[in-house]
Amino acid sequence: AQKVTQAQTEISVVEKEDVTLDCVYETRDTTYYLFWYKQPPSGELVFLIRRNSFDEQNEISGRYSWNFQKSTSSFNFTITASQVVDSAVYFCALSETSGTYKYIFGTGTRLKVLA
Amino acid sequence: EAQVTQNPRYLITVTGKKLTVTCSQNMNHEYMSWYRQDPGLGLRQIYYSMNVEVTDKGDVPEGYKVSRKEKRNFPLILESPSPNQTSLYFCASSSRTSRFFGPGTRLTVL
Repeated sequence: AQKVTQAQTEISVVEKEDVTLDCVYETRDTTYYLFWYKQPPSGELVFLIRRNSFDEQNEISGRYSWNFQKSTSSFNFTITASQVVDSAVYFCALSETSGTYKYIFGTGTRLKVLA
Repeated sequence: EAQVTQNPRYLITVTGKKLTVTCSQNMNHEYMSWYRQDPGLGLRQIYYSMNVEVTDKGDVPEGYKVSRKEKRNFPLILESPSPNQTSLYFCASSSRTSRFFGPGTRLTVL
């Protein structure tokens, strides 16, 4: 069965701290995509990153970085030097390429960055 | 600009009063889908459509209907809304590798 687990329901950090959001997935597909989305208090879903299953290189984009490890089926997201504007709910998602384009979302991690 | 639009953005209604939430995309995508978001449950897929006149149930289809008469539009229909359908709804339009979400519709059923 396909599944995405975000075990951290809520995390609170003080501004400028680094924080890592965990994402563990299950799939039988050999080809798949992993995503992170940010949902700020305004409610929209903001796309952050897509990673395909053949590319295990870590990625860094400004203060954001992603660590994809197939061996542990994890796709963790780190925010360096967090800011208050990073406060949001973050969702990890898995998309299989078996033809149904089905997306499976985790339950989200609420990040609170305190000034 | 690539866009998914939803209307209305906010709706308060009463039990049993039929309503439709519209969704439109301008990217010529074949695949569109509807999700609902509830606290602690993440986003769950209601229905999806692989192309015009091709729709199928997602994980939580009960109480909803959809239609796909044109490629760009994928309305969500609640024939007889109930309070347990109070939720935040997202429409999405997809290519093989990316999914674009609409801004969301916050529905309250009294």
